[in-house]
Amino acid sequence: GDSVTQMEGPVTLSEEAFLTINCTYTATGYPSLFWYVQYPGEGLQLLLKATKADDKGSNKGFEATYRKETTSFHLEKGSVQVSDSAVYFCALSDRGFNKFYFGSGTKLNVKP
Amino acid sequence: DAGITQSPRHKVTETGTPVTLRCHQTENHRYMYWYRQDPGHGLRLIHYSYGVKDTDKGEVSDGYSVSRSKTEDFLLTLESATSSQTSVYFCAISGRGETDTQYFGPGTRLTVL
Repeated sequence: GDSVTQMEGPVTLSEEAFLTINCTYTATGYPSLFWYVQYPGEGLQLLLKATKADDKGSNKGFEATYRKETTSFHLEKGSVQVSDSAVYFCALSDRGFNKFYFGSGTKLNVKP
Repeated sequence: DAGITQSPRHKVTETGTPVTLRCHQTENHRYMYWYRQDPGHGLRLIHYSYGVKDTDKGEVSDGYSVSRSKTEDFLLTLESATSSQTSVYFCAISGRGETDTQYFGPGTRLTVL
């Protein structure tokens, strides 16, 4: 079945460091891929998405490219800020069935 | 922000009591979902709805039931709460039959003593 695997955290970085959070997926069809962010005490918010191979999603300095050949959707940011501290979830959607599959989440801590 | 509210936001209850959580949306979206979030498990789908009175089970549906009598409301009921159902519960909505972005509510923290 469909599934998502993302790197375990926590990830601790200093402010202005480069961020990569790895995400790989397994899917039988042609899924859409998403990154969500969850701040403490809140629900998940969509960060970015990509709907087909080679698409790049971007938002707030974060980027991720849909790589079909490596079944990956790694999240990157060139310079993180303290305010980026949160839990990040990679997800895929199963077209036609309207179901989502989430990774287990990666906690990011950014220190001043 | 998508118009999704959940009530109550916090609840403490005792084992064996029934509990109902409510999700309300103002977006007129067709699809609604209930998830639970637990440390080490990420988000797990409990039940979902693809229209009024149309619901189906997710991966962790045992001990839960749902109802949707109106487009805007999706209720999750724990018939007899157990301590293993202590969790944070999130409602989500999405708009189209073909997969679309899911938008999440703020969550309900449920503690079963």
